[in-house]
Amino acid sequence: KNQVEQSPQSLIILEGKNCTLQCNYTVSPFSNLRWYKQDTGRGPVSLTIMTFSENTKSNGRYTATLDADTKQSSLHITASQLSDSASYICVVSDRGSTLGRLYFGRGTQLTVWP
Amino acid sequence: EADIYQTPRYLVIGTGKKITLECSQTMGHDKMYWYQQDPGMELHLIHYSYGVNSTEKGDLSSESTVSRIRTEHFPLTLESARPSHTSQYLCASSERGGSSYEQYFGPGTRLTVT
Repeated sequence: KNQVEQSPQSLIILEGKNCTLQCNYTVSPFSNLRWYKQDTGRGPVSLTIMTFSENTKSNGRYTATLDADTKQSSLHITASQLSDSASYICVVSDRGSTLGRLYFGRGTQLTVWP
Repeated sequence: EADIYQTPRYLVIGTGKKITLECSQTMGHDKMYWYQQDPGMELHLIHYSYGVNSTEKGDLSSESTVSRIRTEHFPLTLESARPSHTSQYLCASSERGGSSYEQYFGPGTRLTVT
């Protein structure tokens, strides 16, 4: 069964600190992995997208890593800001259909305190 | 920020009422999607469309229906709302099908059925 598991479920950090969010998946055949940021009451916004051959990708203070062998990914946030408070969703796409089906994790709810 | 819009943003309605959730995009995207998301849970695909006059059911069974008469417009209708329909509904679009294309999400409609 294709699944995406994220940990931790929630996380509280102080402003300026770094944090790392984890994602494990069982989706096969694998196409790509995306990290989205979803603010409360808003739709998800893409942060990074990585294919099988990419090990790391950065977008400003966000750095995503991918280990396709162990089927794990992480999202590292550097020097956190209050505006980073949001849900971070790991999404894996398969290449087994023309639709390009997306499998969503439940997200990690990050809260940044001043 | 992607040019995809949803109205209303919030809706509280009584049981048995007919409702239509609107979704429009100005990017000329062929593919459009409807997702349902409960608090703290993953997004579930309920409907998608490859283009005009094309509609398909997604992974999660839904009593809602959709139509695609124009490229830019993908409304979702519930003929008789029930409390079990209370959820957040997210619309998305992508340029093409397939796993490599980015999906852009609207801000969502928070539906509450009393």
